Amino acid sequence: AQSVTQPDIHITVSEGASLELRCNYSYGATPYLFWYVQSPGQGLQLLLKYFSGDTLVQGIKGFEAEFKRSQSSFNLRKPSVHWSDAAEYFCAAHQGYSSASKIIFGSGTRLSIRP
Amino acid sequence: GAVVSQHPSWVICKSGTSVKIECRSLDFQATTMFWYRQFPKQSLMLMATSNEGSKATYEQGVEKDKFLINHASLTLSTLTVTSAHPEDSSFYICSARVGGRYNEQFFGPGTRLTVL
Repeated sequence: AQSVTQPDIHITVSEGASLELRCNYSYGATPYLFWYVQSPGQGLQLLLKYFSGDTLVQGIKGFEAEFKRSQSSFNLRKPSVHWSDAAEYFCAAHQGYSSASKIIFGSGTRLSIRP
Repeated sequence: GAVVSQHPSWVICKSGTSVKIECRSLDFQATTMFWYRQFPKQSLMLMATSNEGSKATYEQGVEKDKFLINHASLTLSTLTVTSAHPEDSSFYICSARVGGRYNEQFFGPGTRLTVL
């Protein structure tokens, strides 16, 4: 079965430090991958997505992610985090090939920022 | 970006009553809407997928008679939790998409349901 795994439940980094959130996927075909951020009281916001092409994807808010097929990974990175980046981050993948295709989510990583 | 709203944002009800949650795409027509459930500090679990004018497709393990989904128009989907019980307390999130899998899904802010 297709799945998305986020091995880190909670990560704390200092403000201004770099960040990498891990995501591994289990997928037979070319995956369509996403990173979402969920802040308290707000809906999920799409940070970036990978469908094909360049394996380094740039997103909003200074985030980027790199698709590595050999490692089945799609890790999210940011060179310098801000206190406002504290939130829950979800890696996700498209499942299915029709109009009824759906997004399945990883378990999420909670990011805390140390002042 | 496109906006998806949910109403109410939170609801408290007594055990045994039914609760309806609305999901609206405010500035676009959604051909497909999704309902997710999220337990505290956990991920989003897809409950069902619905296309306008047709019956919803429920995920395995989701009781279709308990969680009634109606997608009456291209801008409105409703989730009714029937005969709610405390174990139904959760955060319910809807999502809407135009067209097929290549298109972005937009998520609503969620509805917090507490069943006493």
